[in-house]
Amino acid sequence: AQSVSQHNHHVILSEAASLELGCNYSYGGTVNLFWYVQYPGQHLQLLLKYFSGDPLVKGIKGFEAEFIKSKFSFNLRKPSVQWSDTAEYFCAVNFRAAGNKLTFGGGTRVLVKP
Amino acid sequence: EAGVAQSPRYKIIEKRQSVAFWCNPISGHATLYWYQQILGQGPKLLIQFQNNGVVDDSQLPKDRFSAERLKGVDSTLKIQPAKLEDSAVYLCASSPRTSGNTGELFFGEGSRLTVL
Repeated sequence: AQSVSQHNHHVILSEAASLELGCNYSYGGTVNLFWYVQYPGQHLQLLLKYFSGDPLVKGIKGFEAEFIKSKFSFNLRKPSVQWSDTAEYFCAVNFRAAGNKLTFGGGTRVLVKP
Repeated sequence: EAGVAQSPRYKIIEKRQSVAFWCNPISGHATLYWYQQILGQGPKLLIQFQNNGVVDDSQLPKDRFSAERLKGVDSTLKIQPAKLEDSAVYLCASSPRTSGNTGELFFGEGSRLTVL
């Protein structure tokens, strides 16, 4: 069965620190890749997505992610975090051969201290 | 553009009772999904509809969960009877295309269920 793994459950860092969240997925052929964010008390929102082309994708709020096909990874990065980046981050994969549905990782809770 | 609407936002019931959640997707979105998000975990797909037909319900506990989307628009998810382990947030999502769908979903705010 297709699966998505996120390496860290909780991350605590200070403002201006750099952030990198890991995401790996099981083999599944063609994939579409997403990072969603859930701010406290809010619904899931799309942060960025990768369908094809340049494996380095840029999203909203200064986030970017790099697709490394050989490693089945899609890590999320932000060079300098702000307190407002405190949220839960979910990696999600659409394994195209399995139909158009998203499989989510377990999420990473990020706390940015002011 | 209005987002995905869900109700109720919160529900508390006792075990063995029943509960129903309602979802209205974004207008024109053909595909509708129900996900279950247990505290501390990522969302897990329960059922996927395309228009009013079920595409995937392989992870829906059919002995107690049911869902329908009769006219290809609104959907309801029902749990009867509820168990303690059903305590979770039930997320509805929709997506805009019937073919060549790239998997981008638009989520509602969720319905939080607590089973006592």
